[in-house]
Amino acid sequence: ETGVTQTPRHLVMGMTNKKSLKCEQHLGHNAMYWYKQSAKKPLELMFVYNFKEQTENNSVPSRFSPECPNSSHLFLHLHTLQPEDSALYLCASSQGGGLVTYEQYFGPGTRLTVT
Amino acid sequence: ILNVEQSPQSLHVQEGDSTNFTCSFPSSNFYALHWYRWETAKSPEALFVMTLNGDEKKKGRISATLNTKEGYSYLYIKGSQPEDSATYLCAFYSYGGSQGNLIFGKGTKLSVKP
Repeated sequence: ETGVTQTPRHLVMGMTNKKSLKCEQHLGHNAMYWYKQSAKKPLELMFVYNFKEQTENNSVPSRFSPECPNSSHLFLHLHTLQPEDSALYLCASSQGGGLVTYEQYFGPGTRLTVT
Repeated sequence: ILNVEQSPQSLHVQEGDSTNFTCSFPSSNFYALHWYRWETAKSPEALFVMTLNGDEKKKGRISATLNTKEGYSYLYIKGSQPEDSATYLCAFYSYGGSQGNLIFGKGTKLSVKP
């Protein structure tokens, strides 16, 4: 049990669809992250939330919209995506309010395919 | 643009071999370096977080060293086992970077043959 769960694990959506990815952490952490991994590229940070407040938006297009209703849950709302948005989306959490001296705990990811 | 380079990209070893790989990062404004192990179909798992020049950390057969002045970290695996097969990622953070923004390398993919 990783402590960080993500649903769904796989998602296929059309470019006109609206869908949401969900992440939940059971570790009592206060920082949560969304990452994107495209083929042959490194993990790329998208968003950071500390104590439910967004502290980083790494120049992500507005078709990706995060939501953090509490410290344990994180959503990524998707709308009008492009085929190049097909990737593995990973959620992570950490303690220390996002301080990078703390290790991050990752979920298993959602494999997204945009058709 | 900050870049983290990992080498080699992939590595094939026999069970029982010891191996090591490298993570290179900008040496200026260093703050922290992370190592993660990512097995196929699983979640990335933290191995080490290192902050001090000269730091050495160990977890079982895996150890890591850090040289912040020259901008590199080595990860060593002693007596590789098939269960060590995974992609090993390093991630770097510098002073002045955006909060929580670890910069990841592409990883070294290790395959250990029985």
